[in-house]
Amino acid sequence: ETGVTQTPRHLVMGMTNKKSLKCEQHLGHNAMYWYKQSAKKPLELMFVYNFKEQTENNSVPSRFSPECPNSSHLFLHLHTLQPEDSALYLCASSQELAGGRDTQYFGPGTRLTVL
Amino acid sequence: QKEVEQNSGPLSVPEGAIASLNCTYSDRGSQSFFWYRQYSGKSPELIMFIYSNGDKEDGRFTAQLNKASQYVSLLIRDSQPSDSATYLCAVRASGGSYIPTFGRGTSLIVHP
Repeated sequence: ETGVTQTPRHLVMGMTNKKSLKCEQHLGHNAMYWYKQSAKKPLELMFVYNFKEQTENNSVPSRFSPECPNSSHLFLHLHTLQPEDSALYLCASSQELAGGRDTQYFGPGTRLTVL
Repeated sequence: QKEVEQNSGPLSVPEGAIASLNCTYSDRGSQSFFWYRQYSGKSPELIMFIYSNGDKEDGRFTAQLNKASQYVSLLIRDSQPSDSATYLCAVRASGGSYIPTFGRGTSLIVHP
């Protein structure tokens, strides 16, 4: 059973809608991540937060807006998306950004379809 | 540009055989290595972490790390149909952002 939860699990939205994805981790971790996974492509890192501070924005379009109010919660706000944004969006957490044995644990993902 | 390469497969093995999955990486300073299993439509699940050269065994899984040759392998002994999944290799460098780089994954099919 994963210690990282994501809601909703499935989302269908139109290009003019605004929606938010939510991630919560119950592992006491301090780093949280958003990834995008499209068919036949490797995991694409989108955003990283470490101790609530954003440390990475991997050239993500502004129609994706992250929010990290505390170390346990991470949101991804979506607006005016494109059909090519349809993908599995994965949240992950780890103890903290550091070398050595820091390990990421993934949530179940949100399957997003943009019509 | 840090790269992690995996053969996309599919790798097809009969039930009971040993499945061997390989991953090469470009950053010689890489320090930590991870194998994740991802079933279709599901999220990646960590199955192995290896930090030092040599082998690490956990049940039917063995990870083999060779830093000099810059590869890490995953062996699955007595493969079962339930092992059919995509296996993702992830590599973390010793410096920089400490965020792992993922390979594309290798699809494994274990047929009865």
